[in-house]
Amino acid sequence: KAGVTQTPRYLIKTRGQQVTLSCSPISGHRSVSWYQQTPGQGLQFLFEYFSETQRNKGNFPGRFSGRQFSNSRSEMNVSTLELGDSALYLCASSLEGGKDTQYFGPGTRLTVL
Amino acid sequence: SQQGEEDPQALSIQEGENATMNCSYKTSINNLQWYRQNSGRGLVHLILIRSNEREKHSGRLRVTLDTSKKSSSLLITASRAADTASYFCATDRGSTLGRLYFGRGTQLTVWP
Repeated sequence: KAGVTQTPRYLIKTRGQQVTLSCSPISGHRSVSWYQQTPGQGLQFLFEYFSETQRNKGNFPGRFSGRQFSNSRSEMNVSTLELGDSALYLCASSLEGGKDTQYFGPGTRLTVL
Repeated sequence: SQQGEEDPQALSIQEGENATMNCSYKTSINNLQWYRQNSGRGLVHLILIRSNEREKHSGRLRVTLDTSKKSSSLLITASRAADTASYFCATDRGSTLGRLYFGRGTQLTVWP
């Protein structure tokens, strides 16, 4: 099976812009989670989607949003970008969630100038 | 907030030596997972160990879990330079939802 894919791999934006990142889970996986990784804060959970519904949300401002489509593909959007949003954004997929192995994609490196 | 706490934060060894990394956590769990991350890349899944298991093996990897002490260890035997990476443990805090709680990781450097 193909692994988790994320597009784009690299992105450079300026403050105030918005960005959309995409994640395609492993075929058959219905749960998709998003994480932000920075040197200072480590890996922080953004949100999790299961069957097109947000099941769980981390402690991020409303500028961070996401959605999941009927084919389980997921997108996350960040509006009004700030310098501090520069990070590696990782998505992970699993069959149904917490009790299952979670497989991560290669990440999207976002740089905000 | 961080759930797992890996120890040590950094480990430097020679090729052929064994590397042991520890992870402690604070709440009950369904399972604990170990991941490897090469610099700036995605996380690679290594092993998942369930709360009713005490030990699992995968190739040169051995993971133990002590739920009474809320701790886990990852042993890499006969380390290679290619094992150089950051290693993270992650737990689910007993939830069946898809959220994982990560530690800050152990940076392993294996010198040829």
